[in-house]
Amino acid sequence: SQQGEEDPQALSIQEGENATMNCSYKTSINNLQWYRQNSGRGLVHLILIRSNEREKHSGRLRVTLDTSKKSSSLLITASRAADTASYFCATALNAGNMLTFGGGTRLMVKP
Amino acid sequence: NAGVTQTPKFQVLKTGQSMTLQCAQDMNHNSMYWYRQDPGMGLRLIYYSASEGTTDKGEVPNGYNVSRLNKREFSLRLESAAPSQTSVYFCASRKSHWGQATDTQYFGPGTRLTVL
Repeated sequence: SQQGEEDPQALSIQEGENATMNCSYKTSINNLQWYRQNSGRGLVHLILIRSNEREKHSGRLRVTLDTSKKSSSLLITASRAADTASYFCATALNAGNMLTFGGGTRLMVKP
Repeated sequence: NAGVTQTPKFQVLKTGQSMTLQCAQDMNHNSMYWYRQDPGMGLRLIYYSASEGTTDKGEVPNGYNVSRLNKREFSLRLESAAPSQTSVYFCASRKSHWGQATDTQYFGPGTRLTVL
């Protein structure tokens, strides 16, 4: 069974708007990662947040982690058409452990 | 650096046929992984190799075998392909040297396999 579940499954927005994707998981984790997958391509790592962190930023990306609610969110600000992709959260139970992926959010950014 | 490479990119098999998916990385990573991705779903781990000479089962190992040929290469074999194995297969690697370990995985472009 999948550890992480993303919400929503699909999201369509206009260029310039913000996009928020959520991930919920079931057990305690060491870290949570977000990956992007462009159509027909492999996954690309975006950002990692550890269990003792609450928020991280990377460019237009902002990730939050609430371990009490076992949830994380990925915010993409000022979205661009090039952000159109599927976004996956992945959890690691221990440092260096296997990753368990959620089902992904398909984001479409309309120009 | 090419990163993680996979061959072939596409493959069509008949039920019962066998084949090997190849994966190689040039980043000197210790750990390598094989995942499958079914339509509209996330990745599920088939097998992984924490270091050269070791392999372990993941979430969905049935019907597959792996070989960690050397530090660079990690192959996935389907001995008798079944339609349920139609999927996109991704290989990934991770730096896990003592004292230099990271949790980020680097993915190959995938192999699209159809079993008729």
